[in-house]
Formats: sequence, C-alpha cells, structure tokens
Amino acid sequence: NAGVTQTPKFQVLKTGQSMTLQCAQDMNHEYMSWYRQDPGMGLRLIHYSVGAGITDQGEVPNGYNVSRSTTEDFPLRLLSAAPSQTSVYFCASNHAAGQGSGELFFGEGSRLTVL
Amino acid sequence: KNEVEQSPQNLTAQEGEFITINCSYSVGISALHWLQQHPGGGIVSLFMLSSGKKKHGRLIATINIQEKHSSLHITASHPRDSAVYICAVRYSGGGADGLTFGKGTHLIIQP
Repeated sequence: NAGVTQTPKFQVLKTGQSMTLQCAQDMNHEYMSWYRQDPGMGLRLIHYSVGAGITDQGEVPNGYNVSRSTTEDFPLRLLSAAPSQTSVYFCASNHAAGQGSGELFFGEGSRLTVL
Repeated sequence: KNEVEQSPQNLTAQEGEFITINCSYSVGISALHWLQQHPGGGIVSLFMLSSGKKKHGRLIATINIQEKHSSLHITASHPRDSAVYICAVRYSGGGADGLTFGKGTHLIIQP
C-alpha cells in the first residue's frame, strides 16, 4: 500500500496564480481532509469529505476549493494565491467510525510559498 | 471553541531520560490521537485511544477520561525521538471535521 500520496512537495507561486495540490489514498478510506500548518499554530482544517461526491468546509476554507469525484482522490485548488496562503499543507485520510480502526494517515506535506 | 492544550511546549532532555508529554482537553471525546512529526517531515500516527493505556516499543500513551487528560511517555529516550509530538482529539459527535489539534511539543533529545 502506498498510503496517502500528496504532490507536489514544494511549490512557489506568484500572487494571483492558481494551482492544485493532489492527494490520493489507496486504503478505501471514507474520510479525507486538508489541513494547513503554520508556525505557532496547530493544524487547521481547510476542507473535508466524508465520501465521494460529498465535501464540506472546515475552519479556514476561504480561497480554497475541493472536489471528491472518486473515493481515492481529493484535490485542493487554490483559486487565486495570496501571500497569506504560504503554509505547509497536509492531506489526511481515515475510515469512518465503525468502518475501521480510525487511525489517521497523512501525506508527506506540501510546502507552498506565495510571493 | 474547544481547545487542546499541550505541555510543555518545548522540552530538551538527555539521552536515556524518561519523557512525559501532556495533553488536556475540555469536553467529552470519542478518541484521542498522538502524532509524531520529524523536522521537515510528514506526520505519523503513534496512537489512537479512547480509554486506558497503549504501548508500542518504548512509547506508552495513557488517557484519563474523567480528568480529560492524556500523557505520552517515552522510555529510554534516544536522539532519534527528537520530533514534534502532536495531540489531537475527536470530540463526541464529531465526524471528519471533529478533530482539534494541539500546537505540539517540540522534543529534543541530546546525546
């Protein structure tokens, strides 16, 4: 099993550019989430999905878009990058309650810099 | 907003010492996770627990539901244990959006 695969690992953008962070998991997890990690702060939820075709907003959704067309993939789109979106992004997945152990699996992270 | 408090924020110890990292939360939870993040690295799940105690190698995690408190212990610490340790809780009734993370404990083990 590859687990959670997240790409790219590093990206530099100019203000106003758009890009997509890719996330894929091969564990048939129902739940997938995107977090951002900033210095001095805990991980904060951007968007999440409880299954294919279902997404919802987390704590800090502004400026980001997601879709979940398949169980495996959960891409995060930055619509018009801003310097405030400079951060490290993590994708995570886990089984729904009662469907598995509930253990969290994270991607390796994507370090994004917006100039 | 329900908070997760970790202590200490930073901890430096000598190789071989017994390490304790604490996590407190505010209301009822369905699960608590301990995670490890090495510098510049990804995040790895160490434990998920909802009661009692779990052990894996030199790591032990305990939770006291009544006191709303969990501890992560490292026995015979080693420099490779140097990392950020993160506590995360899933509040009762929380689904995929129900995780709240602590800010992490930066642990350095000196040889």
